[in-house]
Amino acid sequence: GQSLEQPSEVTAVEGAIVQINCTYQTSGFYGLSWYQQHDGGAPTFLSYNALDGLEETGRFSSFLSRSDSYGYLLLQELQMKDSASYFCAVRADSWGKLQFGAGTQVVVTP
Amino acid sequence: DTEVTQTPKHLVMGMTNKKSLKCEQHMGHRAMYWYKQKAKKPPELMFVYSYEKLSINESVPSRFSPECPNSSLLNLHLHALQPEDSALYLCASSQQRATDSPLHFGNGTRLTVT
Repeated sequence: GQSLEQPSEVTAVEGAIVQINCTYQTSGFYGLSWYQQHDGGAPTFLSYNALDGLEETGRFSSFLSRSDSYGYLLLQELQMKDSASYFCAVRADSWGKLQFGAGTQVVVTP
Repeated sequence: DTEVTQTPKHLVMGMTNKKSLKCEQHMGHRAMYWYKQKAKKPPELMFVYSYEKLSINESVPSRFSPECPNSSLLNLHLHALQPEDSALYLCASSQQRATDSPLHFGNGTRLTVT
């Protein structure tokens, strides 16, 4: 079977740094994506890693280690608006289907 | 605001009704998707259209019938639904199906089946 594991909830204060880990077991692997979803809103794309290493986009960074089947999303200088669910997603086949993790609820407190 | 527009935002329907969900994008994307999302759960893929042809059906019950009239529009026809079909239905698009291009989601239609 295919599975993605990520923590269910993370709580942190404004200005802090949060790391959301994602480990995956899939039959194939083309890349790891991260999506953010606010309550009642649409999932929005944050980042994509196809190769090992760190990708940085503003306050958010994403890391991938294909040999460890592991990635993480790093949220720096947390702001209240970062309170949302964060999903990792693996593209596991050439058809482009995305397998989503269960999501991590990030709660930012003042 | 998203570049993928879904209508209606909310829909309440009885189990004998027929209704349709609509999705539109004008980004020139050639792949379009329907996802179903239950509360506190990740999106689950239902259908994928690539170049206006159905390329993936994730064993979805026939009471859900997708249609892609042209490259900008995607419909989901609903008939004889069950209360457990109540969920947020998300449409998404991407440049092409089997590439690294990200999914652009609409805000969804929140469906309640009574």
